[in-house]
Amino acid sequence: EDKVVQSPLSLVVHEGDTVTLNCSYEVTNFRSLLWYKQEKKAPTFLFMLTSSGIEKKSGRLSSILDKKELFSILNITATQTGDSAIYLCAVFTGANSKLTFGKGITLSVRP
Amino acid sequence: DVKVTQSSRYLVKRTGEKVFLECVQDMDHENMFWYRQDPGLGLRLIYFSYDVKMKEKGDIPEGYSVSREKKERFSLILESASTNQTSMYLCASSPDSNYGYTFGSGTRLTVV
Repeated sequence: EDKVVQSPLSLVVHEGDTVTLNCSYEVTNFRSLLWYKQEKKAPTFLFMLTSSGIEKKSGRLSSILDKKELFSILNITATQTGDSAIYLCAVFTGANSKLTFGKGITLSVRP
Repeated sequence: DVKVTQSSRYLVKRTGEKVFLECVQDMDHENMFWYRQDPGLGLRLIYFSYDVKMKEKGDIPEGYSVSREKKERFSLILESASTNQTSMYLCASSPDSNYGYTFGSGTRLTVV
């Protein structure tokens, strides 16, 4: 059974802090790993990672994949209250387009 | 702007009712998905579809069915709603596995 595990499950930080969110996976036939941000409504796409060691960056957010150790991290620097959300990690496996999600990490950024 | 639209944002139904949750996408995507999201459990796949009139069970299909008569529309049906089906339901679509999903805004269903 494919498994995606995120840690920690929740996190409270203060504005300006840097946070690292973790995602590990045990799946058959890995294709790619995705990060989403979910505020009150629909999850919105952040990154898709397919190759080890290549950092993807968007503003204060960055992410990297390690296919040997089977994990990914999402870093957020200089956090803001608008970063408060659930961060979802998901993995594409096999020949189809089915994503397996982790349980999500709830990040709260205090002013 | 590409979109996945779920017909209801909030829904309250009684135990035993038949419930229809509708999802429409305007991106001509082949693949559509229904998830439910519960605190502490994350997103769990209920059903998915790779083509019109085609459906496959996800991880938790019990108590649900789906219909995909047209490419753009994927409906989730609760044959006889129960209180343990109270949840946030998210619909998503994708063209293929080279792209992430686009999600709808979700339907928060309460069964009383």
